[in-house]
Amino acid sequence: GDSVTQMEGPVTLSEEAFLTINCTYTATGYPSLFWYVQYPGEGLQLLLKATKADDKGSNKGFEATYRKETTSFHLEKGSVQVSDSAVYFCALRGLTGGGNKLTFGTGTQLKVEL
Amino acid sequence: DGGITQSPKYLFRKEGQNVTLSCEQNLNHDAMYWYRQDPGQGLRLIYYSQIVNDFQKGDIAEGYSVSREKKESFPLTVTSAQKNPTAFYLCASEIEDNYEQYFGPGTRLTVT
Repeated sequence: GDSVTQMEGPVTLSEEAFLTINCTYTATGYPSLFWYVQYPGEGLQLLLKATKADDKGSNKGFEATYRKETTSFHLEKGSVQVSDSAVYFCALRGLTGGGNKLTFGTGTQLKVEL
Repeated sequence: DGGITQSPKYLFRKEGQNVTLSCEQNLNHDAMYWYRQDPGQGLRLIYYSQIVNDFQKGDIAEGYSVSREKKESFPLTVTSAQKNPTAFYLCASEIEDNYEQYFGPGTRLTVT
């Protein structure tokens, strides 16, 4: 079945540092890929998405590129801020067995310090 | 403002009681979803509905029930048969073929 693997957290960075959160996936065909962000005590918000190979999703300074050859969708940001502290979830929308289902990774907590 | 509302934000129940969590959306989305989130885990799909009066089981439907009588509403009942009901419950909706799910703020259920 479909699965998503994310790097374990927490990831602790100083403000203005470069961020990478790794995400790899297993799925049949060409799934759509997503990054969601969850701030403390809240629901998830869509951060960015990519629907086909080599697409780059971007939003609020965050970027991720859909790499079919490495089955990866790593999240990057050039300069993080304290306000970026949250939990980040990588997810895929598969094409098999209930095609509307999102499969989520376990989430990576990011802490940004001054 | 369009969005998804879940109520209440915090809910406390005694073991053996059924409890219903509310989810309402005014986004005119066809599909709605219920997920469960436990500490250190990703979201797991409980039930989903693509159209009024129709719904399907997700990965962990045992001990839960839903209804979809109106497009705007998708309530989730946590029954006494659910062995570990304490969790954070998230409702989401999705416009057809958009592949983007919009989440509500969640309900934290504690059963003692």
